[in-house]
Amino acid sequence: GAGVSQSPSNKVTEKGKDVELRCDPISGHTALYWYRQSLGQGLEFLIYFQGNSAPDKSGLPSDRFSAERTGGSVSTLTIQRTQQEDSAVYLCASSLAVGDYGYTFGSGTRLTVV
Amino acid sequence: GESVGLHLPTLSVQEGDNSIINCAYSNSASDYFIWYKQESGKGPQFIIDIRSNMDKRQGQRVTVLLNKTVKHLSLQIAATQPGDSAVYFCAENSGGSNYKLTFGKGTLLTVNP
Repeated sequence: GAGVSQSPSNKVTEKGKDVELRCDPISGHTALYWYRQSLGQGLEFLIYFQGNSAPDKSGLPSDRFSAERTGGSVSTLTIQRTQQEDSAVYLCASSLAVGDYGYTFGSGTRLTVV
Repeated sequence: GESVGLHLPTLSVQEGDNSIINCAYSNSASDYFIWYKQESGKGPQFIIDIRSNMDKRQGQRVTVLLNKTVKHLSLQIAATQPGDSAVYFCAENSGGSNYKLTFGKGTLLTVNP
């Protein structure tokens, strides 16, 4: 597609439920990133995928968070047993290759845990 | 500049004036820096970048200045327009990483017509 597409754009969930957030990167972009943006804060790195290499999961805040990328394209970020502190905007970005910092970001998924 | 708590630093300017947004970065090993613009409800958008072997880089209406001695980065916007109103973030590659960025907390720029 023309840009990075994320869905849903908004998600309200009850504490303790699981959620899945989806990211469709730009076609041909081999690098994909997830960042989290809490209210009034900068972006916090979560996870990085590059081609078929093992992902860098060093930013995931707990084992309730996981992500996968199928076929080198679409990625899903899953949060299990959501907590109120998980409320944030989850941003996905893609770039042509490793070392290319010219990320293109999606518009994000605003997650609210009530 | 850096934010305190949940409150973003803010800069309010008149349309047509020049704007300067500042950022203190954290890692002396970082060698690549980017400025992003984020409008409400959208993801960050790349504005301009600079490598550590430079101290100045110019784009269209924007200039980035880098002072490695004091680990300071600034973004200058010439002839600021209402469409420039947004939150501006600086980001640095996380010293040694070739893909991971560390973002500052952002500055809210408001342009008054």
